[in-house]
Amino acid sequence: AAGVIQSPRHLIKEKRETATLKCYPIPRHDTVYWYQQGPGQDPQFLISFYEKMQSDKGSIPDRFSAQQFSDYHSELNMSSLELGDSALYFCASSPTFGNQETQYFGPGTRLLVL
Amino acid sequence: AQSVTQPDIHITVSEGASLELRCNYSYGATPYLFWYVQSPGQGLQLLLKYFSGDTLVQGIKGFEAEFKRSQSSFNLRKPSVHWSDAAEYFCAGGLSGGNEKLTFGTGTRLTIIP
Repeated sequence: AAGVIQSPRHLIKEKRETATLKCYPIPRHDTVYWYQQGPGQDPQFLISFYEKMQSDKGSIPDRFSAQQFSDYHSELNMSSLELGDSALYFCASSPTFGNQETQYFGPGTRLLVL
Repeated sequence: AQSVTQPDIHITVSEGASLELRCNYSYGATPYLFWYVQSPGQGLQLLLKYFSGDTLVQGIKGFEAEFKRSQSSFNLRKPSVHWSDAAEYFCAGGLSGGNEKLTFGTGTRLTIIP
């Protein structure tokens, strides 16, 4: 079965650089969520999109922005990177019909800021 | 505020022994509840979920969980653990209605000893 795809899987950046993380949801999933998991931490909700519109916003820094495109893939843009942004970034998607509450997670993008 | 609590940070169990991981929730209404498992460096895999109905839910890999409204709990159980069950386990809750963010507990790290 198709799963959530995230790219890149690993990313190394310097402080103050920018990064773009991509998420491709499972087919026929119209909702995408972004979570950040710091080392030894639980995942924290950042932002979500439903039908290409932002549906909810969590503890996402102003330096970060995200959007969902017409093909439902989503991108998380991170600027002025800080050391504390080093984390595992998960994307999850949920279906349009049935089990809308169930989120299926991608493998994550591990970001290291040096 | 909504919250999910996992009281046990780390649990060690002998292979073949039974397992119970605790999860408590605090929500205004009964949330949707999930258990996810994360192996080192990996993504989050859905083990099982509770929405309504039968309070004992079966999941993958031989896991089950029981929803107890009176105790605000959703504990995960397995009758006999295998070495491959060693991982981090996260309990998560979300509001009904679909497209809602998940709130995670802090996780329980499970170690299996021979």
